[in-house]
Amino acid sequence: EAQVTQNPRYLITVTGKKLTVTCSQNMNHEYMSWYRQDPGLGLRQIYYSMNVEVTDKGDVPEGYKVSRKEKRNFPLILESPSPNQTSLYFCASSMTLQETQYFGPGTRLLVL
Amino acid sequence: EDQVTQSPEALRLQEGESSSLNCSYTVSGLRGLFWYRQDPGKGPEFLFTLYSAGEEKEKERLKATLTKKESFLHITAPKPEDSATYLCAESHNFNKFYFGSGTKLNVKP
Repeated sequence: EAQVTQNPRYLITVTGKKLTVTCSQNMNHEYMSWYRQDPGLGLRQIYYSMNVEVTDKGDVPEGYKVSRKEKRNFPLILESPSPNQTSLYFCASSMTLQETQYFGPGTRLLVL
Repeated sequence: EDQVTQSPEALRLQEGESSSLNCSYTVSGLRGLFWYRQDPGKGPEFLFTLYSAGEEKEKERLKATLTKKESFLHITAPKPEDSATYLCAESHNFNKFYFGSGTKLNVKP
């Protein structure tokens, strides 16, 4: 089944404790992206990647890191999480830039 | 800065009562306008992409249209299963995407 998977789905952590949210797709997609969704603000793009080893900033990259060492994986790293990073995070992928984006199921993060 | 505004924030309809959702954008040089459906607890699900003013696309009870300043999602004779949050997004380079905050649609039987 073609899908985008994210792990974990739910995470509670404390300020400053490094964490990684994994994203994996099984569709051989070139383009992958991370978003955060907050009430009243909609989805905001954090980082995107056009292919392996090619990443760039979205609209709200501060406090986040990403890497794209393999085509299928695009982890989101929070080196020192803060409470304002409490949010619902979505990973998405598409075959090429112009193609439909497929979203993962989301990761709900609470930073205390 | 690119900005996408959706209205209304919430919409309650009776089953069969047609209506339209609005998505206005400020970017010049739009390359693509996207509509997604999001159910509670799930990721957005793609509905349509519109590329140029005047373009229209249909899928079952939904029809999306695009002008130079805004897009409309028309819902004809909606059913309760159409209840969801509808998101629009724009992109001028297909790298970066800017989403509106969504319209939450509730269709009562």
